[in-house]
Amino acid sequence: QVRLQESGPGLVKSSETLSLTCTVSGDSISSYFWSWIRQPPGKGLEWIGYTFYSGSTNYNPSLNSRVTISVDTSKNQVSLRLNSVTAADTAIYYCARVGVDSNHLWFDPWGQGTLVTVSS
Amino acid sequence: QTVVTQEPSLTVSPGGTVTLTCASSTGAVTSNYQPNWFQQKPGQAPRALIYSTTNKYSWTPARFSGSLLGGKAALTLSGVQPEDEADYYCLLYYGGNGVVFGGGTKLTVL
Repeated sequence: QVRLQESGPGLVKSSETLSLTCTVSGDSISSYFWSWIRQPPGKGLEWIGYTFYSGSTNYNPSLNSRVTISVDTSKNQVSLRLNSVTAADTAIYYCARVGVDSNHLWFDPWGQGTLVTVSS
Repeated sequence: QTVVTQEPSLTVSPGGTVTLTCASSTGAVTSNYQPNWFQQKPGQAPRALIYSTTNKYSWTPARFSGSLLGGKAALTLSGVQPEDEADYYCLLYYGGNGVVFGGGTKLTVL
């Protein structure tokens, strides 16, 4: 059974860098795309970006200048870095596995999420 | 910027049928947009229900079905149960521009 677990600081100061890690167990990271998604309190889901294990990435255009998603195959981890955070970046951050074949695209499973609060 | 639109809220009676839709600001939704549907209950992470328009996961109840309807992606719940009360999100794929989530539909079973 594949499991994803997000981890990282729950509090980040405004203008600093948010750094989170998603640890994958039960599957090799070298077979899928991996995505980060966030959800501000009481609001909807926002796609942040995804990466393939080879390092190719695709980011939400609204966040593109501030975000980096990377993989560490030796640790089976996916990382998220978001620079110059503001209060608007306060959210629950989820990682999810992205499956792709010739005819299908799926986002499953998801981690339980981790709340990051940006303080001034 | 691409916008994906869902009904903000819907209400359905237990045992009834309801259809949630997912529209794209770029035009008609086709299977190429790989519509995905997720259910989220309070305090929980989203759970995948449908992928690539119509495909169910092993845990997806039979009363949930996905389709294309009138240029939109659709999620139909037939024989709604009280436990179906939740937020539902769709996701559409835009190739090199990534994916976009809809704003979500709050489904009330009343």
